[in-house]
Amino acid sequence: ETGVTQTPRHLVMGMTNKKSLKCEQHLGHNAMYWYKQSAKKPLELMFVYNFKEQTENNSVPSRFSPECPNSSHLFLHLHTLQPEDSALYLCASSHGTSDSYNEQFFGPGTRLTVL
Amino acid sequence: RKEVEQDPGPFNVPEGATVAFNCTYSNSASQSFFWYRQDCRKEPKLLMSVYSSGNEDGRFTAQLNRASQYISLLIRDSKLSDSATYLCVVNMGSGTYKYIFGTGTRLKVLA
Repeated sequence: ETGVTQTPRHLVMGMTNKKSLKCEQHLGHNAMYWYKQSAKKPLELMFVYNFKEQTENNSVPSRFSPECPNSSHLFLHLHTLQPEDSALYLCASSHGTSDSYNEQFFGPGTRLTVL
Repeated sequence: RKEVEQDPGPFNVPEGATVAFNCTYSNSASQSFFWYRQDCRKEPKLLMSVYSSGNEDGRFTAQLNRASQYISLLIRDSKLSDSATYLCVVNMGSGTYKYIFGTGTRLKVLA
């Protein structure tokens, strides 16, 4: 399935590194999301973009910096991360309308390990 | 109280059994509800949206009880391939893109 793609699929980085996660959706959606999924915890919403504008920032530390250059692409820039940031980072997209039933479609995720 | 709460399970059931999961939510203004399925180390995949009147898709039936603030998922004639974690998702209001996920209920269907 290639509706929502994410790269890289796996990433190992040191605490002083800078890296970026990339998400691309081919569904014609206008809303894109970043989620964090840690072991034994529910998915946590991090950021939401609708028509390239950020609509949600769920009190995410500034070491995570999102970027949405257009409705099809979403990036998550990472710098000076902590070991507790190790998790599965999931990107999702949905139609950007005011309808309540905006089903989200997820990418395969990037499994991040911070050493 | 958690915003979205699910029994983590696991629910171990034999093939062919009927199993039901509930999910409670705390915000009475919540507008839309979904069930997702997540396999081990994979991304969540939409199973079904949950409409006010209840809805059915093959062996799966979803229901919403606004008065008691819960949604349910019923799986009939369980298959081995139904083994997964089932996530309850609640959207916090019309026009918002804030979705709250439950921790998931793990289902194991046994041969």
